[in-house]
Amino acid sequence: GQNIDQPTEMTATEGAIVQINCTYQTSGFNGLFWYQQHAGEAPTFLSYNVLDGLEEKGRFSSFLSRSKGYSYLLLKELQMKDSASYLCAGIYNFNKFYFGSGTKLNVKP
Amino acid sequence: GAVVSQHPSWVICKSGTSVKIECRSLDFQATTMFWYRQFPKQSLMLMATSNEGSKATYEQGVEKDKFLINHASLTLSTLTVTSAHPEDSSFYICSATDRPNEKLFFGSGTQLSVL
Repeated sequence: GQNIDQPTEMTATEGAIVQINCTYQTSGFNGLFWYQQHAGEAPTFLSYNVLDGLEEKGRFSSFLSRSKGYSYLLLKELQMKDSASYLCAGIYNFNKFYFGSGTKLNVKP
Repeated sequence: GAVVSQHPSWVICKSGTSVKIECRSLDFQATTMFWYRQFPKQSLMLMATSNEGSKATYEQGVEKDKFLINHASLTLSTLTVTSAHPEDSSFYICSATDRPNEKLFFGSGTQLSVL
């Protein structure tokens, strides 16, 4: 729902930096979340952006541009354990969470 | 962080039976709970939004008579899959928030297999 789009799959090397993009419908949009999900497990919260700009939290950073309907998740110093699906989720009309299709990240040695 | 408990973790049932999944917020009052469905290698699809003491709001395409949601208290919501069929086999996951516009806390999910 809400046309939340992100790449299906990405591959990166251990120690490198990777950027996962997300575009979304701006009508009714309130804020954007990034979640990490390992296969068969529940998603875990990574970040939340409401205002434009970059939020940094350790090796992970998230960026939001409300006018462009665009966000990205930046992962630095990649580790093998970062191999997972990364879900972009938008909150709309203050009470609905919609998820993108998820980006499967493969980290190789 | 807040804890959401979901039971059962997995269930196998015969076609035509009904299955109830419980979602509890253990250390906070969940004014709103969400139910999602996830097929293998796909993302979470919002099925319904449930607010304590009122009827759930279902997303387009989700049959409310098939997926019964009850949110009778601030700490418990249940999803009942009525007359389950093999096509209902999926990973069902609940989530909750204690304040509007705040992050979701997820249950551990329920893998439903209908034979």
